[in-house]
Formats: sequence, structure tokens, C-alpha cells
Amino acid sequence: EAQVTQNPRYLITVTGKKLTVTCSQNMNHEYMSWYRQDPGLGLRQIYYSMNVEVTDKGDVPEGYKVSRKEKRNFPLILESPSPNQTSLYFCASRQGANRNGELFFGEGSRLTVL
Amino acid sequence: GQSLEQPSEVTAVEGAIVQINCTYQTSGFYGLSWYQQHDGGAPTFLSYNALDGLEETGRFSSFLSRSDSYGYLLLQELQMKDSASYFCAVGSGGYQKVTFGTGTKLQVIP
Repeated sequence: EAQVTQNPRYLITVTGKKLTVTCSQNMNHEYMSWYRQDPGLGLRQIYYSMNVEVTDKGDVPEGYKVSRKEKRNFPLILESPSPNQTSLYFCASRQGANRNGELFFGEGSRLTVL
Repeated sequence: GQSLEQPSEVTAVEGAIVQINCTYQTSGFYGLSWYQQHDGGAPTFLSYNALDGLEETGRFSSFLSRSDSYGYLLLQELQMKDSASYFCAVGSGGYQKVTFGTGTKLQVIP
């Protein structure tokens, strides 16, 4: 089954404790991206990657890092989480040559930073 | 940068037609997409317009006017299961950067 898998789905952590949210897709998609969703603000793009070793900032990259060492994986790293990073996070992927804009989303990871 | 505006809430009757509008400001426009998100779920793709005009997919249609920086999603024969949030999104830079609107919460009532 074609899917985007995120882990963990739920996490409660404390300020400053480094964490990684993993994202893996099995569709051989070139493009992957991370979004955060907050009430009243919609989805905001954090980082995106056009292919292995090619990443770039989205609209809200502060406090986040990403890496793309393999095509299927695109982890989101919070080096020193703060309470304002409490949010619902979505990973998404897309065929690079797919010009119809269709993004496939993971099920989301709800992060709480205390 | 990019910005999009869409109504925050819409209520419509089962069986009716509803239109959700989206206006945008962007540089390097590369298409307008629509996504549906049920409470607690992930966004799912509905439609995409790169050129002016109407795209139809079953009960859903989407329209784009690039000269007006405007698009809409049209839902026909509304069903209760259509109650969800709907997001418009614009791509730029070869659709690498994707900016979403704040979403329209549609409530379908009997």
C-alpha cells in the first residue's frame, strides 16, 4: 500500500530535549516536505526537499532541521524544542515530475513541548 | 511571499451546492490546489488548476482565474460526509514552495 509513515504519532516532551520525527514514503517520490498545522493558521511549510541531499527552507524553518540522506526518508529534527513548537506536524511527498500538485500526506504527529 | 484568503466557515444544506472561494497573492505562481481534511485526519488532495478554467472531478469542481488571482472549489450534491475543512494551496518556484490558506470549515446540515 502506497503511504507516508510518520513516527511518533504522539509525543510529549520537555523544553530543550532534542527529538526527531521520522517520515518515510514507499512511493519512490523525489519531493518531500514538512508542515506544521496550528489552529487558525492552516498548514505552514517548514522545509522541503527536491531530492536526496537537496533541501530548502519553507516559510517557518526557525528551530527545525532536516536531512535527506535517502530518497524514502525525510526526518524532522528539533534540536532544542520550545513550547511554541507545540503543534501538529505533517510530512508529505510528491512525485517530482508530477505537475498536478498532488501531495500525499502522512497521518500527522502531534507534538507537545512542556 | 505568498498569502491566501478563504472564508473561515461555511454552512450548507445536504443536497445543495456550495462554493468556497480563495484569493491569493504570490510571486511565481505555479498552480492552485485544493485539499480536504476531516477532523483528526490528514489532508487529502482534491483538485489542481494550473490554467484558467474549470476542472471537474465527480461532485467536485475547481475553477481558476489567474488574471484575478482567484479560484473556487464547487461541491455539488452535498453529503454529510463532506463536512470537513477545505484548504486552497498555491505553488511557486516549480511547485517547490507550497503555501496553504487557513482553511474553510464546511458544515453540512440535514
